[in-house]
Amino acid sequence: DAGITQSPRHKVTETGTPVTLRCHQTENHRYMYWYRQDPGHGLRLIHYSYGVKDTDKGEVSDGYSVSRSKTEDFLLTLESATSSQTSVYFCAISVGTGSETQYFGPGTRLLVL
Amino acid sequence: QQQVKQSPQSLIVQKGGISIINCAYENTAFDYFPWYQQFPGKGPALLIAIRPDVSEKKEGRFTISFNKSAKQFSLHIMDSQPGDSATYFCAAYNSGGSNYKLTFGKGTLLTVNP
Repeated sequence: DAGITQSPRHKVTETGTPVTLRCHQTENHRYMYWYRQDPGHGLRLIHYSYGVKDTDKGEVSDGYSVSRSKTEDFLLTLESATSSQTSVYFCAISVGTGSETQYFGPGTRLLVL
Repeated sequence: QQQVKQSPQSLIVQKGGISIINCAYENTAFDYFPWYQQFPGKGPALLIAIRPDVSEKKEGRFTISFNKSAKQFSLHIMDSQPGDSATYFCAAYNSGGSNYKLTFGKGTLLTVNP
């Protein structure tokens, strides 16, 4: 599992509330990613980070923000959760000198009512 | 714009048969092509990967075939087993780019019947 943990693993929340998901890695890898997985859409990149305080948007970043204040933690925040953000969220890291080999965490299942 | 197209969306194979999943890409700058396997309730896991300097890579029962001129690559699972039942994703990466990200296909749900 490349030392990746995600918390919480399951969450139920209400529309309009803020939600923060945490990804933690134990091996100080530089690149970290947040994806969402939905039926029929596969894996879609939300945001990624290439270092502490260095982040950039993916293809579905609207309504999400991220922060990375230290190497091991990458936080994903839904500023005001909507039902369309009900999904399974995966964190991933890249290992090695490049960033092409990604390893995924166990996922967080989020339900927005 | 979907840059990696994966087919079929779902596939049912009998035990012992060959499972074949195909992907096509558009960006000729892609130079790394991994396949991921995902079981229900788990995160995707890297299965096998290929670079375009070879046309085929084999690891056990899993083989990637790569056709650079056609911009296509495929995953072959020989002697498919019920334990291979999972969702498979192809992906592509441009190591010369600056965005550090994989482009994924939409996935194929493989069911291997006993």
